[in-house]
Amino acid sequence: ETGVTQTPRHLVMGMTNKKSLKCEQHLGHNAMYWYKQSAKKPLELMFVYSLEERVENNSVPSRFSPECPNSSHLFLHLHTLQPEDSALYLCASSQDLGSRETQYFGPGTRLLVL
Amino acid sequence: LAKTTQPISMDSYEGQEVNITCSHNNIATNDYITWYQQFPSQGPRFIIQGYKTKVTNEVASLFIPADRKSSTLSLPRVSLSDTAVYYCLVGPLTGGGNKLTFGTGTQLKVEL
Repeated sequence: ETGVTQTPRHLVMGMTNKKSLKCEQHLGHNAMYWYKQSAKKPLELMFVYSLEERVENNSVPSRFSPECPNSSHLFLHLHTLQPEDSALYLCASSQDLGSRETQYFGPGTRLLVL
Repeated sequence: LAKTTQPISMDSYEGQEVNITCSHNNIATNDYITWYQQFPSQGPRFIIQGYKTKVTNEVASLFIPADRKSSTLSLPRVSLSDTAVYYCLVGPLTGGGNKLTFGTGTQLKVEL
């Protein structure tokens, strides 16, 4: 138990669906992250939030839309996804930004796009 | 942006010491080096972190040479449960946002 929870744990959706992934951290952290992990590929950083403001968007397609309503919650809104978007989506948080800050990861949401 | 390079995979046996090296030739002065462990279908978890020389905790040791262009994660007496992917992360001390880049990871397989 890392203090970071993600729901749902598994999700199957069609290419025309709209769904949202939820992340919640109970650690009082200021920074939150979304990562994508495809099979046999390294972790890809998608979005970074610090104090509820988006810090970076790593050229992620617009069909992925993040939202950080407060410092404890992070959402990833999905619409018109493609089959190649099927992956494990991981949320993480850290006290602040920076490599010295330990990132605490959630268990991930396994997404399958049909 | 400090790109990292790690071996794709390593095999070992229970009780042996395992050393995994990460290359980061263009590491910046204010970059820290962090290692994470990831089991299948789980998020990565922190193992150890360092800036220079040697760091040791109850799980592992981290060796960083003076030029800091590489680092070596050392796992003493591995067991089957150490089978996992090990990631090297290099990035700026503060801030950095998308400059926190995970390496490709090393799949360690421990056998009896």
